[in-house]
Amino acid sequence: DTGVSQDPRHKITKRGQNVTFRCDPISEHNRLYWYRQTLGQGPEFLTYFQNEAQLEKSRLLSDRFSAERPKGSFSTLEIQRTEQGDSAMYLCASSPWEGWETQYFGPGTRLLVL
Amino acid sequence: GQQLNQSPQSMFIQEGEDVSMNCTSSSIFNTWLWYKQDPGEGPVLLIALYKAGELTSNGRLTAQFGITRKDSFLNISASIPSDVGIYFCAGGYNNNDMRFGAGTRLTVKP
Repeated sequence: DTGVSQDPRHKITKRGQNVTFRCDPISEHNRLYWYRQTLGQGPEFLTYFQNEAQLEKSRLLSDRFSAERPKGSFSTLEIQRTEQGDSAMYLCASSPWEGWETQYFGPGTRLLVL
Repeated sequence: GQQLNQSPQSMFIQEGEDVSMNCTSSSIFNTWLWYKQDPGEGPVLLIALYKAGELTSNGRLTAQFGITRKDSFLNISASIPSDVGIYFCAGGYNNNDMRFGAGTRLTVKP
């Protein structure tokens, strides 16, 4: 399978704990995006990387959130001191440099904060 | 928050019927895309539109980029049970910013 993969698919954590999610993009894609999706809504942009550089962050990305893409391949999204409001599906997408709009999504990580 | 108005919110149709859904915005977009999402999965790209007025088909799906660049529609002809899911429109207008509608939930009765 050469699509976008995410790990884990599901995560249940207690409020206040830290969680980390991983995304492996399509190998030849140099752009990588993180989105958050809550129930009944479309995905909302969080941040994106061009290779290893994080070029844009949404206002939704509070200081408890941090994302990295150290070698320009896989990316991690960490949430520190989780809150119940962080419960959502976290989606990763990747796209080529040209045709950035055609983003291919992974299956998502569903986070539940108790 | 969402800047795109997608309608209808949900549709219940009989197998074999045609479906039409649309997306409008107060802002101009340079690109319109349509995605389908199944429960527990990420969105899957169906059609991408790059020019105002463009009409593009993908099998039984047809989508158009409105000439004002503020709207788009998606048609599904001769619906089948596997068309069930949530359909999202998305508009893009610069190097990274893509906005999604809230989705149209489609139910197809056999």
